[in-house]
Amino acid sequence: EVQLVESGGGLVQPGRSLRLSCAASGFTFDDYAMHWVRQAPGKGLEWVSGINWNSGSTGYADSVKGRFTISRDNAKNSLYLQMNSLRAEDTALYYCAKGLRGRLNDAFDIWGQGTMVTVSS
Amino acid sequence: DIQMTQSPSSLSASVGDRVTFTCQASQDISNYLNWYQQKPGKAPKLLIYDASNLETGVPSRFSGSGSGTDFTFTISSLQPEDIATYYCQQYDNLPQTFGQGTKVEIK
Repeated sequence: EVQLVESGGGLVQPGRSLRLSCAASGFTFDDYAMHWVRQAPGKGLEWVSGINWNSGSTGYADSVKGRFTISRDNAKNSLYLQMNSLRAEDTALYYCAKGLRGRLNDAFDIWGQGTMVTVSS
Repeated sequence: DIQMTQSPSSLSASVGDRVTFTCQASQDISNYLNWYQQKPGKAPKLLIYDASNLETGVPSRFSGSGSGTDFTFTISSLQPEDIATYYCQQYDNLPQTFGQGTKVEIK
């Protein structure tokens, strides 16, 4: 079964850091780009960051550029998001998503259930 | 960044109705447009990719069309299980951007 399982969310104070993880199974992880997409409570979807299959290409939303870093470990079938200098507006459910094909710009065909990040003092 | 505008923001229709809503891009994105369905409390689900291609396992009552800046999503016969919010997404340029969503309800 193709599956993505996120972890690492929680309550964190503004200015602090958090690292999200996504464990993938059921597909050849290093054949696909991977992404993080977030959804603030009651709001729409926002693409946060993406990484291609070999980590050679990454992209970030303007709202997180310079604060968040995406990475992957193909040997561990895992995707990560290092979030620094967190702000209240980063509060959201963070989804891990798999690219449909091999390129960075693409549809997202598999989604995890999300991990909630709450930034508050 | 490319802005995606969905219309309407919400709609109400009866079971069996043909439902159509639109997504407009702020610049030409060719056919680099996807549609997702999100039910309350659930992760989004890919329905249509590349503007008109039906994802595997998705019922054929769902369809998409368009290219350039104007796109349309259609449910040919609305079913109770189609109650959800639908999002378009462009992937022509980074950052990939989503529309604000169209919420579909049963009348």
